[in-house]
Amino acid sequence: QKEVEQNSGPLSVPEGAIASLNCTYSDRGSQSFFWYRQYSGKSPELIMSIYSNGDKEDGRFTAQLNKASQYVSLLIRDSQPSDSATYLCAPGGGKLIFGTGTRLQVFP
Amino acid sequence: DTEVTQTPKHLVMGMTNKKSLKCEQHMGHRAMYWYKQKAKKPPELMFVYSYEKLSINESVPSRFSPECPNSSLLNLHLHALQPEDSALYLCASSQGQGATAVDTQYFGPGTRLTVL
Repeated sequence: QKEVEQNSGPLSVPEGAIASLNCTYSDRGSQSFFWYRQYSGKSPELIMSIYSNGDKEDGRFTAQLNKASQYVSLLIRDSQPSDSATYLCAPGGGKLIFGTGTRLQVFP
Repeated sequence: DTEVTQTPKHLVMGMTNKKSLKCEQHMGHRAMYWYKQKAKKPPELMFVYSYEKLSINESVPSRFSPECPNSSLLNLHLHALQPEDSALYLCASSQGQGATAVDTQYFGPGTRLTVL
């Protein structure tokens, strides 16, 4: 059983700052990871996926994966109030077992 | 287009009612999923259909009955539910490559279910 841990937050950052969201996982066999964003009352929306060690950048978002440390993170640069949501991490591989999610609050 | 649709958006039912939730995708995906999400919790997997066959049932009570009539449609039949079954029910689909790294799941908007 895959286990995923995230700090539930809330993580509060000022507008324009970098938000750093972290996720650790227990299954050393996990090969891929997905970050979803979920606004209150809405469904999860895919933000990023990452399969290889290192960084992957997409616009203001950067995912970082360190398989040796069993750690994956999501950086959001130039944070906006519209980024305020819960961010869910999940290892891939058929069954998505989500972490508890980190609630991000970006204040003006 | 990565759209998964779900109907209805909201559903209120009594404990003796029978109702169904519907999910549809036209992306050619061969895997479809049902998740249940309670407030302030992450989604929890209920069922997985792969190539129209039930491949995973996460020990879900029999009052929830899934059905996959074809590769584009997924239903969840509800009968004799309890108030604690009130939740957001999410459908998702993926290409269906199973355990491979690239099998990305896309979620529908969900059905908000209230059991009285």
